[in-house]
Amino acid sequence: KAGVTQTPRYLIKTRGQQVTLSCSPISGHRSVSWYQQTPGQGLQFLFEYFSETQRNKGNFPGRFSGRQFSNSRSEMNVSTLELGDSALYLCASGLRGDRGSEQYFGPGTRLTVT
Amino acid sequence: AQTVTQSQPEMSVQEAETVTLSCTYDTSESDYYLFWYKQPPSRQMILVIRQEAYKQQNATENRFSVNFQKAAKSFSLKISDSQLGDAAMYFCAYTPWGQFYFGTGTSLTVIP
Repeated sequence: KAGVTQTPRYLIKTRGQQVTLSCSPISGHRSVSWYQQTPGQGLQFLFEYFSETQRNKGNFPGRFSGRQFSNSRSEMNVSTLELGDSALYLCASGLRGDRGSEQYFGPGTRLTVT
Repeated sequence: AQTVTQSQPEMSVQEAETVTLSCTYDTSESDYYLFWYKQPPSRQMILVIRQEAYKQQNATENRFSVNFQKAAKSFSLKISDSQLGDAAMYFCAYTPWGQFYFGTGTSLTVIP
């Protein structure tokens, strides 16, 4: 069974631009979560989607948004990019999305904002 | 507030020896799950071990075991017979529901 895939793997953008990251969960998984990973802050939860509905949201500004499609694929969008948005963005999928479910992580998208 | 603290930013261990990574968490919930995830240099995070808070028995997975102290809100990971492939960043994670809270990680070096 294929793992979680994220595209693109690397991205370089300029301040003020917007970016869209994509995540394809493991087949059959209905929960998708997004995390921002930086050396200083570690992993910070962005949001979680389950069956196309946002169930949980972390403490990030409204410039960060996401959505989930009927096939469980998810996209994350960041508008008006800032230098501080440079990070590794990880996507994780889960079968049921309940609290005991293991999260399977993708390889991440490395975003660099210049 | 839900917080996870890993007080050891870096640890090292001799190959074949045992090492323990510490994790404490703060919660007012009585039922939750705890996890240890490993992130090798390739960056793909993988689950090492999972513990359900209402289970008294400590979880074990081959060379990996945990010491779960619910009253103390402590969840340490013991790696026995350390191998070179164990070198990675280890993250402790807590979830009372769908949202995961991660610690800042412990970088483990395995010395041949």
